[in-house]
Order: sequence, then structure tokens, then C-alpha cells
Amino acid sequence: GESVGLHLPTLSVQEGDNSIINCAYSNSASDYFIWYKQESGKGPQFIIDIRSNMDKRQGQRVTVLLNKTVKHLSLQIAATQPGDSAVYFCAERPGGANNLFFGTGTRLTVIP
Amino acid sequence: DAGVIQSPRHEVTEMGQEVTLRCKPISGHNSLFWYRQTMMRGLELLIYFNNNVPIDDSGMPEDRFSAKMPNASFSTLKIQPSEPRDSAVYFCASSLVDTQYFGPGTRLTVL
Repeated sequence: GESVGLHLPTLSVQEGDNSIINCAYSNSASDYFIWYKQESGKGPQFIIDIRSNMDKRQGQRVTVLLNKTVKHLSLQIAATQPGDSAVYFCAERPGGANNLFFGTGTRLTVIP
Repeated sequence: DAGVIQSPRHEVTEMGQEVTLRCKPISGHNSLFWYRQTMMRGLELLIYFNNNVPIDDSGMPEDRFSAKMPNASFSTLKIQPSEPRDSAVYFCASSLVDTQYFGPGTRLTVL
């Protein structure tokens, strides 16, 4: 029979536009959150992280926003480029733990 | 820094054979993680070590899977005997404090 895989949410944006990728996390006790980018055939690559005592953190062209009230995390990419096309994963770490729990990922496609 | 190193990058084997995947973490990191990624289940944690000691192996699918970390610079994940459903990409990651850095993965195909 036909196998059914995970259904990845997809986001298509025009080159130069800003991208917003959203993630809902499950554990209110999580104290650390992280975004990874995974290109085809490669391992997840660290983008940016944030601790639960912050609600915003900025990097180069990327911003992570954390809303603990509704357990929501977002990744904003400014001036999206074709090289940003990839699958983006959010991950959370429960307080006191060392391991991460990953979301299913979002596929970002940048249209030149 | 060379980053996390995994070998082999690709492995094709027949059902019933033993498979050993290898990982060299980033020098100085004290935690090491083994993950498996499939289309069906996404990215799953199999086991992680802290200071070479296994801390949580609850993600290891069954007794056919075993992992060792004999020293701070080397870890292995072994599958014996392998089955077709073990086909996946296996990632190793290491960390010092918070951020986990992933290796390039080993794509395993069990025929």
C-alpha cells in the first residue's frame, strides 16, 4: 500500500519579502527553544535560540519571538533569499532536561 | 572546527546484517545525541550521553539497537540484526551547554 508520511506545512514567499514561520510548542515547562534549518541531504543547522526569560531575540536577518502565554514560537526571516529555501524546525527543551523535542517542520520555498 | 563527523555517509546493507554507525563529536562538548529521521516519524531522539554516560535511551526502538560512548571523542550506534524498517537517516549531535550541533548524517538503507 501507499505509505503516508508527515504532512509538512509549506510556505512560499517571493525573494526579498519577509518570511514568518510559526511553531506551537506543547510543554509549558520548556525553558529553551531553538530553530534549525535543514537543507536537502544535510543535517539540521542551528539558526537561533531563545531562553524562556526572553520574548525576542535577533540575529543576522532572523528574529525569534516567544509567546509563553499561548505557547507559540515564530521565526522571522528578513529579505528572504533563494538560499533560505529549506525545511525549518523548531525544538523545545523541558526545564531540567538535556534533550530537545522537535516539531514536524515547515518547508520554505523562495520564489526568485 | 570540523564540526560533528559521522561515518559512513551512506550505508546499504541486507536484512539481518549488523550495521555500525560512528560519530565524533565536537571537541570539548560533553553531551552527545543520536537521532533518527524518517518521512513517517520525523526527527526522533534515540539516546543521549552526558560525559560519556547514557542518560536517556527511552527512544531506542528495541533491543536490536545499542549505543556506546567509550570516550569523549567517539560514539557508535549499532543495529543487529538490521531490518528494512530501520532504513532512515541517522544523525549525531553534540552540545556543551544548550545548542546541539548536528553532523551530516548517515543514510541507511536496509534491503
